[in-house]
Amino acid sequence: SAVISQKPSRDICQRGTSLTIQCQVDSQVTMMFWYRQQPGQSLTLIATANQGSEATYESGFVIDKFPISRPNLTFSTLTVSNMSPEDSSIYLCSVEGAAGGKVGTEAFFGQGTRLTVV
Amino acid sequence: AQTVTQSQPEMSVQEAETVTLSCTYDTSENNYYLFWYKQPPSRQMILVIRQEAYKQQNATENRFSVNFQKAAKSFSLKISDSQLGDTAMYFCAFMSHYGQNFVFGPGTRLSVLP
Repeated sequence: SAVISQKPSRDICQRGTSLTIQCQVDSQVTMMFWYRQQPGQSLTLIATANQGSEATYESGFVIDKFPISRPNLTFSTLTVSNMSPEDSSIYLCSVEGAAGGKVGTEAFFGQGTRLTVV
Repeated sequence: AQTVTQSQPEMSVQEAETVTLSCTYDTSENNYYLFWYKQPPSRQMILVIRQEAYKQQNATENRFSVNFQKAAKSFSLKISDSQLGDTAMYFCAFMSHYGQNFVFGPGTRLSVLP
């Protein structure tokens, strides 16, 4: 299993500002994923972050709003830029695991960052 | 594109009783993985159980078991001897054999009552 440390666990931010969320994994992983969970809803994938290349964004999410860094195989950051109240959500990072030794067949999650934009 | 549906937004069960959470999905693929994740108020996503589509045998993990009906594209979770600590949101999730990201259902909020 993988242990994921995500910081901050929560924050309250002013609209128009930016927040960077950090995700640290205790082992090297190829792919890291960033999800958004709006209040009372399910998880929606924002982007997939590969080391050494640009992140791949899902429909509805753009790099200017959610820039991602992936400087090495154990760390990634997600920035929520020019925030508005609609960005108030839980943001989670995730990494692939290897159930039964098969890489990419399980997922581990950080504890999430609860963001409130006022 | 794959979709995952959970038709029960909320459920409740008495402590020590059994409850079944429903999940259906849509895919054209033959090989894939299905999961149930639990999210308690702490927000931590916890894997409950995992099923590989090519395995006909239903997965079990202690008090948790699934009823996997591949032809019907159904993947329900049965929790036996429910405990207060089972109170959480439960998400059904699909992962393609060819991709690493998950598609999550909308979730079922389960309350275990004393």
